[in-house]
Amino acid sequence: ETGVTQTPRHLVMGMTNKKSLKCEQHLGHNAMYWYKQSAKKPLELMFVYNFKEQTENNSVPSRFSPECPNSSHLFLHLHTLQPEDSALYLCASSHIGDQETQYFGPGTRLLVL
Amino acid sequence: AQSVTQPDIHITVSEGASLELRCNYSYGATPYLFWYVQSPGQGLQLLLKYFSGDTLVQGIKGFEAEFKRSQSSFNLRKPSVHWSDAAEYFCAVGGSGGYQKVTFGTGTKLQVIP
Repeated sequence: ETGVTQTPRHLVMGMTNKKSLKCEQHLGHNAMYWYKQSAKKPLELMFVYNFKEQTENNSVPSRFSPECPNSSHLFLHLHTLQPEDSALYLCASSHIGDQETQYFGPGTRLLVL
Repeated sequence: AQSVTQPDIHITVSEGASLELRCNYSYGATPYLFWYVQSPGQGLQLLLKYFSGDTLVQGIKGFEAEFKRSQSSFNLRKPSVHWSDAAEYFCAVGGSGGYQKVTFGTGTKLQVIP
């Protein structure tokens, strides 16, 4: 595998379910990000991790819980979501020496029923 | 605060025609500027970026962009569009509030007709 991978690519869940999104980067980067992409809205930065430490939480509801066990893996744990949380969730990574240049995974298309 | 405006939501061009996608930004200092492309069902792919130096930046897939400070613009251009260029294009600006806070525009969807 190369670049940034995300699993699953599609997810349908009920409002009472618990699920997790997974992201893995194979680029040797040390920063990782979660973004939410909704129709007709700009990408919204959710979380930033640097060297496994969370450095940014962009006022995200607690029903989204990130986890970064190491610099290559990032998870987004989901519980009691709302229909308005349906969106494309994108993971990205960057190198500490070039933090602004972010490389994106293909995303997980989430539908909350 | 930094912001990005992409005034065109949809653009349709004929294959072989030239293309220009507009991007205006708001930022207090010299910005870091990016263009990304997103094909249906895919993530964002970096086309090119500007940090400093030459204001005309070359990217992948034959794209280029020009930074014009006086106009606060960073328009994306391609001299001859191919059908495979049909996608959504996002302009982004970074640098304010920490280098990792990149602000994206709402995107321009490009349709290419034969």
